[in-house]
Order: sequence, then structure tokens, then C-alpha cells
Amino acid sequence: GQQLNQSPQSMFIQEGEDVSMNCTSSSIFNTWLWYKQDPGEGPVLLIALYKAGELTSNGRLTAQFGITRKDSFLNISASIPSDVGIYFCAGRYNQGGKLIFGQGTELSVKP
Amino acid sequence: GAGVSQSPRYKVAKRGQDVALRCDPISGHVSLFWYQQALGQGPEFLTYFQNEAQLDKSGLPSDRFFAERPEGSVSTLKIQRTQQEDSAVYLCASSSIKTSGAPNTGELFFGEGSRLTVL
Repeated sequence: GQQLNQSPQSMFIQEGEDVSMNCTSSSIFNTWLWYKQDPGEGPVLLIALYKAGELTSNGRLTAQFGITRKDSFLNISASIPSDVGIYFCAGRYNQGGKLIFGQGTELSVKP
Repeated sequence: GAGVSQSPRYKVAKRGQDVALRCDPISGHVSLFWYQQALGQGPEFLTYFQNEAQLDKSGLPSDRFFAERPEGSVSTLKIQRTQQEDSAVYLCASSSIKTSGAPNTGELFFGEGSRLTVL
């Protein structure tokens, strides 16, 4: 099935460092979402973006909806050990609600 | 309940067996989605219900996969004659829809998933 191109696939960082990951698509989306998934759990919504150019923050997390509507990025500032997990971007074309997911970015944080 | 509930959490099936996976969405959520997540991959869309109507089943990989939501609440995903390639985590998600015609800003809330292993 179709998936978004998400990068990097994995990151190993030191606690306190900032993290950046992004997603690109060959098609336009009207909504971009970022989820975090812990082992054995379902994805949990972090940030939702609904307008091109929108920049939204949720605590130490900041995400942007690209102007072209074909990309989005997620930044995590001052990482902590509990940030460990897999981060997924997801895009939606229309009001039907079907999400297309990226392949995920696995984040490891060294204390 | 407070969240999306899925059962069983783990299922081991012999190849050729039929399996049924259950999803209890968040109370009042009209939309329900099923996703398949293979190991190391992102979730892939299977099918979508709005109330009891199955509006999109384009992601079901074969006619061995069948989903229903007869009363617009609980949903069951059934896989007949399971194959090894069916081994995956099956995620259910539900969302609210504000009003007809308005942008759907009700986002998906996922359950913990049902991990299916086909031997």
C-alpha cells in the first residue's frame, strides 16, 4: 500500500539534544498528523495540523504543515529518556478520514 | 469505555484457520477504522465504517478478509483461511465527526492492537 517517505528511519541521540524528523509525499494532503507508538501499544496522537504553513506546538514538540502540502516536520527539543519510541507521520486527503502513514522514525535517547 | 478496546491482544493461529478480531470503539464515535501493521512498518489502511456502513474497504488485501459493524458500535475483523503473510498487528481506531459537511477534525484514537501470529 501507499506510504509516506519518512526520514530518518532511526536516530540515536544524547539526552538533552534536539531532534528533527520529516515526511514527504508525492501527493497533497489536507491534514498532517504526528503519532508516537511505544512497544506493544497503539499509536498515540501528538500533534494535528490542518492548514498549509501551520506551525503548532505541544510542550517540547513542534510540528509544521509544509506550504506545498506535501511535507511536514516534527521537532523535539531537549529530549528526555521517555521520548524513546517510534514516531509516525500520517497524512489525510479528504474528509473521509483515511490516514496514510509513514514508515516511522525510531528514536533512542541515551541518558 | 474510556478508550478503544481490542481483543484478543494476542492470537496464534495455524495456517488455514479462521480468526475473528474484535474492536470496541470509544463510546459515541461514529467512525471506525481497521489498520494492519507489519513488523517494522507503519500502519496500513484496511477498511473504514461510518456507523454501520462500510464506506471504504479498498485496503483489504484479499477476499479472505471481511469486516462488519452491524449495529454501528462494535466491529469484527474476520480473516478466513489464515496465511503466514497475515501475521501482523491489527489496529482499530475510532473518531468523532463534528457535523456533516464540516471538516473532519475528529482525529483517530487507536486501540492497543491485536497481534496475530500465523504458524
